Amino acid sequence: EAQVTQNPRYLITVTGKKLTVTCSQNMNHEYMSWYRQDPGLGLRQIYYSMNVEVTDKGDVPEGYKVSRKEKRNFPLILESPSPNQTSLYFCASKLAGSYEQYFGPGTRLTVT
Amino acid sequence: AQSVAQPEDQVNVAEGNPLTVKCTYSVSGNPYLFWYVQYPNRGLQFLLKYITGDNLVKGSYGFEAEFNKSQTSFHLKKPSALVSDSALYFCAVVNTNAGKSTFGDGTTLTVKP
Repeated sequence: EAQVTQNPRYLITVTGKKLTVTCSQNMNHEYMSWYRQDPGLGLRQIYYSMNVEVTDKGDVPEGYKVSRKEKRNFPLILESPSPNQTSLYFCASKLAGSYEQYFGPGTRLTVT
Repeated sequence: AQSVAQPEDQVNVAEGNPLTVKCTYSVSGNPYLFWYVQYPNRGLQFLLKYITGDNLVKGSYGFEAEFNKSQTSFHLKKPSALVSDSALYFCAVVNTNAGKSTFGDGTTLTVKP
């Protein structure tokens, strides 16, 4: 089944403890992206990647890192999480030249 | 910079009535516009898109959207709402030259029996 998977789906952590949220897609998509969803703020793009080893900042990249060493994976790294990074995170992917994005199920992160 | 506005946080309609969810955008160059739907505890699902061509685009589940260049709008419509259409709807614009996507704040649609 074609899909975007995220792990973990739920995470509660403490301020300053490094964490990684994984994202993987099995559709051979070149493009991958991370978003955060907050009430009243909609979906905001954190980082995106047009292909392997190519990443770029979205609208809210501060406090996040990403890497794209393999086509199928696009992990989101929070080196020192803070409470304002408590949010619902979505990973998405699409084919190059296409515009329809396929979204993962989401990761709900709570930073205390 | 590109932006999307969904002026209504909430839209309520009765089942069987037509529905409209509004979206306006701002982008340099030609807009690539999208509607996505999010059901509770789920990721976003693609509904429809406007890239070029006919201003009225049809999508999944009987939804359609009308692109209006002069009003920079891309309103989502359905002739007859179903209770199962109740969900959170997002309008999005994509920069045609890069991978940057901008989403609106979302509109919660509630269809009452």
